[in-house]
Amino acid sequence: EAQVTQNPRYLITVTGKKLTVTCSQNMNHEYMSWYRQDPGLGLRQIYYSMNVEVTDKGDVPEGYKVSRKEKRNFPLILESPSPNQTSLYFCASSYRGFEPQHFGDGTRLSIL
Amino acid sequence: AQSVTQLGSHVSVSEGALVLLRCNYSSSVPPYLFWYVQYPNQGLQLLLKYTSAATLVKGINGFEAEFKKSETSFHLTKPSAHMSDAAEYFCAVSDRADKLIFGTGTRLQVFP
Repeated sequence: EAQVTQNPRYLITVTGKKLTVTCSQNMNHEYMSWYRQDPGLGLRQIYYSMNVEVTDKGDVPEGYKVSRKEKRNFPLILESPSPNQTSLYFCASSYRGFEPQHFGDGTRLSIL
Repeated sequence: AQSVTQLGSHVSVSEGALVLLRCNYSSSVPPYLFWYVQYPNQGLQLLLKYTSAATLVKGINGFEAEFKKSETSFHLTKPSAHMSDAAEYFCAVSDRADKLIFGTGTRLQVFP
């Protein structure tokens, strides 16, 4: 089954404790992206990657890091999480730009 | 810069009534336009996509959207609402391969 898998689905943690949200897709997609969803703001792009070892900032990259060492994986790293990063996070992938994106089920992060 | 405006953060309809969710975009070039649906505790699923092949686009679950260049609109409609249509709907626009801009979403409630 074609899917984008995110882990964990839920995480409560404390300020400053490094965390990683994993994202993996099994569709051999070139393009992957991370979004955060906040009430009243819709989805905003954090980082994206158009291929292995190629990543770039989206609209809200501050406080986040990503890497793309393999085509299927695109982890999101919060080196020193802060409460304003409490949000619902989605990973998405597509075959290429302009194609519809396939979304994971989301990761709800709470930073206390 | 591209942007998306969804008028109405909440829309309520009776079962069997017409569904109309509004989306206006701004883009300096002919855009790709999308509608996504989000059910509770799930990621976004593609409803339909406009790519200039036809102005009236049919999607899944009986939804369709009409691209009107003169009005810069891409409103989503369904002739007869069903209880299972209750969800949040997002309009999105892309005029760059690396960028998908989402609207703030419209939550659809369907009353029996």
